[in-house]
Amino acid sequence: DQQVKQNSPSLSVQEGRISILNCDYTNSMFDYFLWYKKYPAEGPTFLISISSIKDKNEDGRFTVFLNKSAKHLSLHIVPSQPGDSAVYFCAAQDDKIIFGKGTRLHILP
Amino acid sequence: DTGVSQDPRHKITKRGQNVTFRCDPISEHNRLYWYRQTLGQGPEFLTYFQNEAQLEKSRLLSDRFSAERPKGSFSTLEIQRTEQGDSAMYLCASSLGQGAAGNTIYFGEGSWLTVV
Repeated sequence: DQQVKQNSPSLSVQEGRISILNCDYTNSMFDYFLWYKKYPAEGPTFLISISSIKDKNEDGRFTVFLNKSAKHLSLHIVPSQPGDSAVYFCAAQDDKIIFGKGTRLHILP
Repeated sequence: DTGVSQDPRHKITKRGQNVTFRCDPISEHNRLYWYRQTLGQGPEFLTYFQNEAQLEKSRLLSDRFSAERPKGSFSTLEIQRTEQGDSAMYLCASSLGQGAAGNTIYFGEGSWLTVV
């Protein structure tokens, strides 16, 4: 039973445009949400997070939006750059952190 | 480098052998986590420690897996009688474990296990 779902296995976006990665969760007790980026053969790297008491958090080109009523969060990257090509994992925390299966983002030249 | 470090980075072993992985967390991080990742999947939770206490162990983890964090610093993950299905990347992560900033976990580079 997946508590964190990323329904898009992959996404292709033109360089310079906005990338939007989506994530849904089922457990309303999650109080913290995170996004990680992963390159092949490396461990995941922390990108940005948001507390459940907020609906938006911004850090440079990255913004995370949280819609608690819909149990949905999204990561916006603008403008998208070639180095953003990677797998992005959505994660949610109660005691431990639970990850989605990831979305592979391809930034097209 | 003061990040999470894992050793060895790669391990090839024959089925039935035992393997042990070591993780050194970021200093002063109280929480230490072990995850496993296979191709096309997200990191799967295995177990975590608060200092030296093992607080939770995944139901998916067979009794061939054991983890320790004897002095609340480094941790080891041992897999006994390895099977081909154990082939994966084993990820260690750590966090402060308190406060808003303590919720963020930081991963090491991972230890690749191939069971042949």
